[in-house]
Amino acid sequence: NAGVTQTPKFQVLKTGQSMTLQCAQDMNHEYMSWYRQDPGMGLRLIHYSVGAGITDQGEVPNGYNVSRSTTEDFPLRLLSAAPSQTSVYFCASSSRLANYGYTFGSGTRLTVV
Amino acid sequence: GENVEQHPSTLSVQEGDSAVIKCTYSDSASNYFPWYKQELGKGPQLIIDIRSNVGEKKDQRIAVTLNKTAKHFSLHITETQPEDSAVYFCAALSYNNNDMRFGAGTRLTVKP
Repeated sequence: NAGVTQTPKFQVLKTGQSMTLQCAQDMNHEYMSWYRQDPGMGLRLIHYSVGAGITDQGEVPNGYNVSRSTTEDFPLRLLSAAPSQTSVYFCASSSRLANYGYTFGSGTRLTVV
Repeated sequence: GENVEQHPSTLSVQEGDSAVIKCTYSDSASNYFPWYKQELGKGPQLIIDIRSNVGEKKDQRIAVTLNKTAKHFSLHITETQPEDSAVYFCAALSYNNNDMRFGAGTRLTVKP
């Protein structure tokens, strides 16, 4: 049982490049979400999914896309990276059937130059 | 949407002392209030949570209190130890939506 696995751990992109941050969970959680963490701003919700095939926007969705084709995977795509997207990104999952506590991945530190 | 404010942003205590972190929320529909601990280079980890039908919950040295009327909740850590040093986040969620909002975090330092 690995929990929530995020890859890569570190990434440097040039402005305008695109990339996908990977997130996978093996707990059969129906709910998955992406947050970005910036100094002094806590964790802000980017996108979330309540089940396979269902996604919705959070607080700061612009510049990001998501899809949920399986229960296990919830990738986050940066369409055209900008320096403002330099941040630490966390994926989280939870099960509403059990409790609402989130399990977080270890994060991806992204730098856009 | 929900707005969660957390105070203080930094807190330094002597080992063995107590630490208190306070949060307020704006959405009266919020009914789930977790607390997370984040150590350097790691993701946040759930340490305790409370639901709106309970006023207080305790787990060893950690306790959380909730005042729904005043819309605030607090984390209490007693007999602090150096390994309690970390960033702590509060959050609030309404069961009717999926948008969990986090406070800005409190950096707790426990001096040996």
